[in-house]
Amino acid sequence: QKEVEQNSGPLSVPEGAIASLNCTYSDRGSQSFFWYRQYSGKSPELIMFIYSNGDKEDGRFTAQLNKASQYVSLLIRDSQPSDSATYLCAVPGGYQKVTFGTGTKLQVIP
Amino acid sequence: DAGVIQSPRHEVTEMGQEVTLRCKPISGHNSLFWYRQTMMRGLELLIYFNNNVPIDDSGMPEDRFSAKMPNASFSTLKIQPSEPRDSAVYFCASSSTSSTNQPQHFGDGTRLSIL
Repeated sequence: QKEVEQNSGPLSVPEGAIASLNCTYSDRGSQSFFWYRQYSGKSPELIMFIYSNGDKEDGRFTAQLNKASQYVSLLIRDSQPSDSATYLCAVPGGYQKVTFGTGTKLQVIP
Repeated sequence: DAGVIQSPRHEVTEMGQEVTLRCKPISGHNSLFWYRQTMMRGLELLIYFNNNVPIDDSGMPEDRFSAKMPNASFSTLKIQPSEPRDSAVYFCASSSTSSTNQPQHFGDGTRLSIL
């Protein structure tokens, strides 16, 4: 069983809409989560970090964590074409090792 | 501040040749990670080091792959002999273990093509 699972997409949303990206994880002991964004041909870059249940907001981005249900999500409000990328959910472990999901490709349609 | 620096950015070589990828982590980071990314398999962790010591190399696909970290500011990933199926983007990332939940910072990657 994969430790971190994501729908590969693509997820297509119109410009201005809310994009909702989801991730489930298998280790109930996981305490924190990262969201990385990867543009085509580029390297992953960190955009959000969340470690407590509930919501964390940063500009147009909101990360939501539900430890009881073992899922973490990323909401992007007012989606822009520049948000089109692959979004990777990641779970940190020992020695800062991080287990990445396979990523969800997001397409924002102008 | 300089980020993670990888070289070369692109490498095209013939099957059977030796390939060496290089990485300079962010100064002060004591964990270093090598990943391989393909469309089919996504981002795969190959090996990671902590304080220059290999901690887990279970992701290294086979004996043709080897990695070293002779000092805190340099690491290499070597493939010998190379095969077409090794074609992928190879990323190096580094992070600090000064506190928990430190993110990994990625280099720009090396796009490797084996003909």
